[in-house]
Amino acid sequence: DAGVIQSPRHEVTEMGQEVTLRCKPISGHNSLFWYRQTMMRGLELLIYFNNNVPIDDSGMPEDRFSAKMPNASFSTLKIQPSEPRDSAVYFCASSSGTGKAFFGQGTRLTVV
Amino acid sequence: AQSVTQLDSHVSVSEGTPVLLRCNYSSSYSPSLFWYVQHPNKGLQLLLKYTSAATLVKGINGFEAEFKKSETSFHLTKPSAHMSDAAEYFCVVGVLGNAGNMLTFGGGTRLMVKP
Repeated sequence: DAGVIQSPRHEVTEMGQEVTLRCKPISGHNSLFWYRQTMMRGLELLIYFNNNVPIDDSGMPEDRFSAKMPNASFSTLKIQPSEPRDSAVYFCASSSGTGKAFFGQGTRLTVV
Repeated sequence: AQSVTQLDSHVSVSEGTPVLLRCNYSSSYSPSLFWYVQHPNKGLQLLLKYTSAATLVKGINGFEAEFKKSETSFHLTKPSAHMSDAAEYFCVVGVLGNAGNMLTFGGGTRLMVKP
């Protein structure tokens, strides 16, 4: 298995634009997590899905952020409109029932 | 470039005995190092972090870790295991600041605590 795949690896966008981050979890994993990592706050859990259903989205910072998981092999995290303070590295992770999580390489987002 | 190796994929201890989870890293820069814990179907929780201050770092729930540059290690310890410590633990190395803030995760260590 290729592991958790995130795309793009780097994204630079202008303030106000829509940004979509993508994640392909490991096949057979039933939980998917989106994290944001910043210098100030470290690693924060934004949302997690179990069997494609959002279980806990209390970490989503505001309504500009939305996440979907239309099927077991794909998830998106969308920011609309983007702001400079959204600049961070966004990680996706997936896990199976054993609870061990595997992380993607991250997407570095820069909003200018 | 940076990498992190957690030397044990599984560690089993008895309740009340010490815990040692091993982590070695490599980094081209002065690293920041973190330990995270993940309980089943929950997000990561930060236990502690090292960012070039004191080499012995104390975290939550009685955990601590010592940064040893000569050994490129950042092992996590706890004097006495509790049943609630059973979880997956991740050692993470990161470069924070203008040079970038990409994190590299270790493979994880599953801690099992026997009664």
